[in-house]
Amino acid sequence: SQTIHQWPATLVQPVGSPLSLECTVEGTSNPNLYWYRQAAGRGLQLLFYSVGIGQISSEVPQNLSASRPQDRQFILSSKKLLLSDSGFYLCAWSKTLEAFFGQGTRLTVV
Amino acid sequence: AQTVTQSQPEMSVQEAETVTLSCTYDTSENNYYLFWYKQPPSRQMILVIRQEAYKQQNATENRFSVNFQKAAKSFSLKISDSQLGDTAMYFCAFKVPLGGGADGLTFGKGTHLIIQP
Repeated sequence: SQTIHQWPATLVQPVGSPLSLECTVEGTSNPNLYWYRQAAGRGLQLLFYSVGIGQISSEVPQNLSASRPQDRQFILSSKKLLLSDSGFYLCAWSKTLEAFFGQGTRLTVV
Repeated sequence: AQTVTQSQPEMSVQEAETVTLSCTYDTSENNYYLFWYKQPPSRQMILVIRQEAYKQQNATENRFSVNFQKAAKSFSLKISDSQLGDTAMYFCAFKVPLGGGADGLTFGKGTHLIIQP
């Protein structure tokens, strides 16, 4: 069966520091991968998606970037965090219709 | 662009009651998919039910069913015999199968459902 791992679960980072969140998928190959952000009181917003290694598309302009160095690995990064980057980040994978989500990372920028 | 609206920020019902969560969406597409996701306090997003727009029959999964009104662009979720474990945020989501991975979900803001003992 397929599983998705996302870490860390929580993270507190100072403004201006770098960020790296990692997501890996097991049990499937060549999945579509997604990063979503959930701000307080809001639904999820799609940030990035990837259809293959090295292929990244951004949905919204922002301070973040994504990379896919391996087929089942998706990384969300920032060189310098802003206060507005705080939120709950979810990684997801999909091959057909449904999307399956990781456990999420609660990021607090202080 | 597609939008999804959930007009009920919070709902509270007694255990064993039936509750309906509403969702409307706006799109010019004819082929799309609708989903309800549940996010319990653990924050794990769990798929509850999905509906293909080309299907007239409403989807059903055990105690969960939808009322899909394509012309009205409405997609409500009915939970029968509600249980304490149903307490969660419920998100309505929309997807157009564009292919090439450009088919991320568009979510509503969610409804916080509380099941009272």
